[in-house]
Amino acid sequence: NAGVTQTPKFQVLKTGQSMTLQCAQDMNHEYMSWYRQDPGMGLRLIHYSVGAGITDQGEVPNGYNVSRSTTEDFPLRLLSAAPSQTSVYFCASSPGQGAREQYFGPGTRLTVT
Amino acid sequence: EDKVVQSPLSLVVHEGDTVTLNCSYEVTNFRSLLWYKQEKKAPTFLFMLTSSGIEKKSGRLSSILDKKELFSILNITATQTGDSAIYLCAVERGFGSRLTFGEGTQLTVNP
Repeated sequence: NAGVTQTPKFQVLKTGQSMTLQCAQDMNHEYMSWYRQDPGMGLRLIHYSVGAGITDQGEVPNGYNVSRSTTEDFPLRLLSAAPSQTSVYFCASSPGQGAREQYFGPGTRLTVT
Repeated sequence: EDKVVQSPLSLVVHEGDTVTLNCSYEVTNFRSLLWYKQEKKAPTFLFMLTSSGIEKKSGRLSSILDKKELFSILNITATQTGDSAIYLCAVERGFGSRLTFGEGTQLTVNP
């Protein structure tokens, strides 16, 4: 049981490049979410999903896309990277359709130059 | 706009001290308040509080919620260097599909 896994662990992008951050969980959790963490700002919700085929926006969705074709996977796509997207990205999941008691992945540190 | 405010933002104590971390909130359709501990990497779940006045306890950590005054405290007694971490407070609202996090309290416990 691997829990929540994220790849890559580190990534450097140039402004304007696109990429996908991968997130997978093997706990059969319905709820999955993506957060970004910046110094002094806590965790901010980017997008979330309450089940396969259902996604919604969080607090800071601009510049990011998500899809949820399976229960296990919830990739986050950066469409055209900008320096303001330099951050640590965490994926999380929780049982049921609620956000409570979330299990977090190890994070992806992204730098956009 | 939903708001979760933690204080202090940072705290340095000596081993053996007792600390109290604060979290106040203003959210619509409050459902629960959660505490997480974040060491080097991902946050890990500590407590979930839904009812006022009922203390949750785990070893040297305890937490309580006051829904009338809209705040929660996290107490750590007899602190150890391993308690050094960022402590995050989050509030679940609506039908549970969103968490709003505070900035976190950076706790440093010196030997």
